[in-house]
Amino acid sequence: AQTVTQSQPEMSVQEAETVTLSCTYDTSESDYYLFWYKQPPSRQMILVIRQEAYKQQNATENRFSVNFQKAAKSFSLKISDSQLGDGAMYFCAIYGGSQGNLIFGKGTKLSVKP
Amino acid sequence: GAGVSQTPSNKVTEKGKYVELRCDPISGHTALYWYRQSLGQGPEFLIYFQGTGAADDSGLPNDRFFAVRPEGSVSTLKIQRTERGDSAVYLCASSLIWTGGTGELFFGEGSRLTVL
Repeated sequence: AQTVTQSQPEMSVQEAETVTLSCTYDTSESDYYLFWYKQPPSRQMILVIRQEAYKQQNATENRFSVNFQKAAKSFSLKISDSQLGDGAMYFCAIYGGSQGNLIFGKGTKLSVKP
Repeated sequence: GAGVSQTPSNKVTEKGKYVELRCDPISGHTALYWYRQSLGQGPEFLIYFQGTGAADDSGLPNDRFFAVRPEGSVSTLKIQRTERGDSAVYLCASSLIWTGGTGELFFGEGSRLTVL
Protein backbone atom coordinates (compact mmCIF):
# COMPACT_ATOMS: atom_id res chain seq x y z
CA ALA A 1 0.00 0.00 0.00
CA GLN A 2 1.07 3.55 -0.66
CA THR A 3 0.83 6.28 1.95
CA VAL A 4 1.42 10.02 2.01
CA THR A 5 2.12 12.02 5.17
CA GLN A 6 1.91 15.78 5.51
CA SER A 7 3.03 16.71 9.01
CA GLN A 8 2.13 20.41 8.88
CA PRO A 9 -1.62 20.96 9.24
CA GLU A 10 -1.17 24.74 8.88
CA MET A 11 1.54 27.10 7.68
CA SER A 12 1.70 30.83 7.22
CA VAL A 13 4.00 33.06 5.22
CA GLN A 14 4.42 36.75 4.64
CA GLU A 15 3.67 38.01 1.17
CA ALA A 16 6.79 37.95 -1.07
CA GLU A 17 8.56 35.52 1.27
CA THR A 18 9.41 31.85 0.67
CA VAL A 19 7.72 28.90 2.33
CA THR A 20 8.34 25.15 2.21
CA LEU A 21 5.64 22.53 2.69
CA SER A 22 6.73 19.05 3.76
CA CYS A 23 5.62 15.67 2.45
CA THR A 24 6.88 12.16 3.03
CA TYR A 25 5.58 9.04 1.36
CA ASP A 26 5.91 5.30 1.33
CA THR A 27 5.63 2.97 -1.63
CA SER A 28 6.90 -0.38 -2.80
CA GLU A 29 6.66 0.66 -6.44
CA SER A 30 9.84 1.32 -8.38
CA ASP A 31 8.09 3.56 -10.87
CA TYR A 32 5.81 6.25 -9.48
CA TYR A 33 4.85 9.91 -9.77
CA LEU A 34 4.49 12.56 -7.11
CA PHE A 35 2.23 15.60 -7.21
CA TRP A 36 1.30 18.73 -5.38
CA TYR A 37 -2.29 19.90 -5.78
CA LYS A 38 -3.75 23.19 -4.60
CA GLN A 39 -7.35 23.42 -3.35
CA PRO A 40 -8.74 26.95 -2.91
CA PRO A 41 -12.08 27.59 -1.18
CA SER A 42 -13.83 26.86 -4.49
CA ARG A 43 -12.96 23.19 -3.74
CA GLN A 44 -11.50 22.56 -7.21
CA MET A 45 -8.19 20.72 -7.02
CA ILE A 46 -5.56 22.28 -9.28
CA LEU A 47 -2.28 20.62 -10.23
CA VAL A 48 0.69 22.70 -9.09
CA ILE A 49 3.64 20.52 -9.99
CA ARG A 50 4.56 16.87 -10.64
CA GLN A 51 7.73 14.80 -10.40
CA GLU A 52 8.56 11.52 -12.06
CA ALA A 53 10.44 9.33 -9.59
CA TYR A 54 12.96 8.18 -12.19
CA LYS A 55 14.08 11.76 -12.79
CA GLN A 56 16.81 13.05 -10.51
CA GLN A 57 16.30 16.67 -11.45
CA ASN A 58 13.83 18.51 -9.25
CA ALA A 59 10.74 19.82 -11.04
CA THR A 60 10.16 23.57 -11.29
CA GLU A 61 7.12 25.55 -12.38
CA ASN A 62 7.68 29.30 -12.17
CA ARG A 63 7.60 30.19 -8.44
CA PHE A 64 7.01 26.57 -7.42
CA SER A 65 9.76 24.00 -7.06
CA VAL A 66 10.21 20.69 -5.30
CA ASN A 67 12.99 19.08 -3.29
CA PHE A 68 12.73 15.41 -4.17
CA GLN A 69 14.82 13.12 -1.98
CA LYS A 70 14.10 9.62 -3.27
CA ALA A 71 16.13 7.69 -0.70
CA ALA A 72 14.48 9.56 2.13
CA LYS A 73 11.06 9.36 0.42
CA SER A 74 10.63 13.07 0.86
CA PHE A 75 8.93 15.48 -1.54
CA SER A 76 8.70 19.05 -0.28
CA LEU A 77 7.19 22.03 -2.11
CA LYS A 78 8.86 25.43 -2.09
CA ILE A 79 6.85 28.50 -2.98
CA SER A 80 8.95 31.57 -3.71
CA ASP A 81 7.75 35.18 -3.72
CA SER A 82 4.47 34.11 -2.09
CA GLN A 83 1.34 35.88 -3.30
CA LEU A 84 -2.02 36.34 -1.62
CA GLY A 85 -3.57 34.05 -4.22
CA ASP A 86 -1.32 31.21 -3.06
CA GLY A 87 -3.38 30.89 0.11
CA ALA A 88 -5.15 27.52 -0.07
CA MET A 89 -4.99 23.89 1.01
CA TYR A 90 -2.07 22.02 -0.51
CA PHE A 91 -2.14 18.27 -0.97
CA CYS A 92 0.74 15.98 -1.74
CA ALA A 93 -0.17 12.87 -3.72
CA ILE A 94 1.43 9.76 -5.18
CA TYR A 95 0.53 7.68 -8.18
CA GLY A 96 2.10 4.27 -8.50
CA GLY A 97 2.08 1.98 -11.53
CA SER A 98 -0.02 -0.83 -10.09
CA GLN A 99 -2.74 1.53 -8.91
CA GLY A 100 -4.90 3.54 -11.23
CA ASN A 101 -5.55 6.37 -8.84
CA LEU A 102 -3.90 9.03 -6.73
CA ILE A 103 -3.33 8.64 -3.00
CA PHE A 104 -3.46 11.97 -1.15
CA GLY A 105 -2.08 13.25 2.12
CA LYS A 106 -4.24 15.12 4.62
CA GLY A 107 -3.14 18.50 3.39
CA THR A 108 -1.51 21.69 4.66
CA LYS A 109 -3.46 24.90 4.95
CA LEU A 110 -1.29 27.78 3.76
CA SER A 111 -2.12 31.35 4.76
CA VAL A 112 -0.39 34.27 3.07
CA LYS A 113 -0.29 37.46 5.10
CA PRO A 114 -0.09 40.88 3.47
CA GLY B 1 -17.36 21.19 -21.82
CA ALA B 2 -14.52 23.42 -20.72
CA GLY B 3 -14.07 21.66 -17.41
CA VAL B 4 -15.43 18.92 -15.20
CA SER B 5 -18.95 19.78 -14.12
CA GLN B 6 -20.59 18.39 -10.99
CA THR B 7 -24.19 18.71 -9.90
CA PRO B 8 -25.64 19.49 -7.50
CA SER B 9 -23.11 21.81 -5.91
CA ASN B 10 -24.76 21.27 -2.54
CA LYS B 11 -27.22 18.65 -1.41
CA VAL B 12 -28.92 18.38 1.96
CA THR B 13 -30.85 15.22 2.67
CA GLU B 14 -32.28 13.28 5.55
CA LYS B 15 -30.86 10.11 6.97
CA GLY B 16 -32.13 7.08 5.09
CA LYS B 17 -32.81 8.88 1.81
CA TYR B 18 -31.40 8.05 -1.62
CA VAL B 19 -29.02 10.49 -3.32
CA GLU B 20 -27.56 10.80 -6.81
CA LEU B 21 -24.55 12.94 -7.64
CA ARG B 22 -23.68 13.66 -11.25
CA CYS B 23 -20.36 14.25 -12.97
CA ASP B 24 -19.88 15.50 -16.52
CA PRO B 25 -16.20 15.06 -17.46
CA ILE B 26 -14.14 16.98 -19.96
CA SER B 27 -15.14 15.95 -23.46
CA GLY B 28 -12.98 13.13 -24.78
CA HIS B 29 -11.60 12.08 -21.40
CA THR B 30 -11.88 8.33 -21.12
CA ALA B 31 -10.94 7.96 -17.46
CA LEU B 32 -13.24 9.22 -14.69
CA TYR B 33 -12.66 9.16 -10.95
CA TRP B 34 -14.73 9.66 -7.83
CA TYR B 35 -13.17 10.77 -4.57
CA ARG B 36 -14.69 11.59 -1.19
CA GLN B 37 -13.26 14.36 0.95
CA SER B 38 -14.32 14.55 4.58
CA LEU B 39 -13.76 17.71 6.60
CA GLY B 40 -10.08 18.27 7.30
CA GLN B 41 -8.97 15.30 5.23
CA GLY B 42 -7.46 14.70 1.84
CA PRO B 43 -9.50 13.19 -0.97
CA GLU B 44 -10.12 9.47 -0.55
CA PHE B 45 -10.41 7.29 -3.65
CA LEU B 46 -13.77 5.62 -4.29
CA ILE B 47 -13.89 4.30 -7.85
CA TYR B 48 -12.55 4.92 -11.31
CA PHE B 49 -13.83 4.14 -14.78
CA GLN B 50 -12.06 3.44 -18.02
CA GLY B 51 -14.76 4.08 -20.60
CA THR B 52 -17.99 2.48 -19.42
CA GLY B 53 -16.51 -0.08 -17.07
CA ALA B 54 -15.37 0.31 -13.48
CA ALA B 55 -11.66 -0.47 -13.61
CA ASP B 56 -11.25 -0.26 -9.85
CA ASP B 57 -14.05 0.07 -7.29
CA SER B 58 -12.01 -0.97 -4.29
CA GLY B 59 -12.57 2.35 -2.56
CA LEU B 60 -16.34 2.12 -2.30
CA PRO B 61 -16.97 1.85 1.45
CA ASN B 62 -19.94 -0.55 1.32
CA ASP B 63 -22.78 -1.76 -0.88
CA ARG B 64 -24.82 1.39 -0.29
CA PHE B 65 -22.50 3.14 -2.74
CA PHE B 66 -22.71 2.49 -6.45
CA ALA B 67 -21.55 4.37 -9.55
CA VAL B 68 -22.35 4.05 -13.23
CA ARG B 69 -21.07 5.48 -16.46
CA PRO B 70 -23.35 3.89 -19.08
CA GLU B 71 -22.16 5.72 -22.19
CA GLY B 72 -18.56 6.36 -21.19
CA SER B 73 -19.13 10.04 -20.51
CA VAL B 74 -21.40 11.26 -17.69
CA SER B 75 -21.18 9.35 -14.44
CA THR B 76 -23.59 9.13 -11.53
CA LEU B 77 -22.62 8.24 -7.98
CA LYS B 78 -25.55 6.72 -6.13
CA ILE B 79 -25.86 6.45 -2.37
CA GLN B 80 -28.66 4.44 -0.82
CA ARG B 81 -29.99 4.73 2.73
CA THR B 82 -27.73 7.68 3.48
CA GLU B 83 -26.10 7.95 6.89
CA ARG B 84 -24.74 11.00 8.72
CA GLY B 85 -21.24 9.65 8.17
CA ASP B 86 -21.73 9.99 4.41
CA SER B 87 -21.58 13.78 4.79
CA ALA B 88 -18.59 14.98 2.76
CA VAL B 89 -17.57 16.66 -0.46
CA TYR B 90 -17.67 14.22 -3.37
CA LEU B 91 -15.10 15.12 -6.00
CA CYS B 92 -15.08 13.94 -9.57
CA ALA B 93 -12.04 14.04 -11.85
CA SER B 94 -11.29 13.02 -15.39
CA SER B 95 -8.19 12.43 -17.47
CA LEU B 96 -7.53 11.95 -21.16
CA ILE B 97 -6.26 8.43 -20.75
CA TRP B 98 -5.51 6.15 -17.88
CA THR B 99 -3.20 8.19 -15.73
CA GLY B 100 -0.18 6.00 -16.35
CA GLY B 101 2.33 8.43 -17.76
CA THR B 102 1.05 11.88 -16.98
CA GLY B 103 -0.97 11.39 -13.83
CA GLU B 104 -2.77 14.69 -14.22
CA LEU B 105 -6.37 14.57 -13.17
CA PHE B 106 -8.73 17.46 -13.87
CA PHE B 107 -11.12 17.98 -10.98
CA GLY B 108 -14.58 19.45 -10.68
CA GLU B 109 -15.66 21.67 -7.79
CA GLY B 110 -17.32 18.84 -5.98
CA SER B 111 -20.76 18.14 -4.57
CA ARG B 112 -21.13 18.85 -0.86
CA LEU B 113 -23.47 16.28 0.68
CA THR B 114 -24.96 16.93 4.10
CA VAL B 115 -26.99 14.18 5.74
CA LEU B 116 -29.14 15.39 8.62
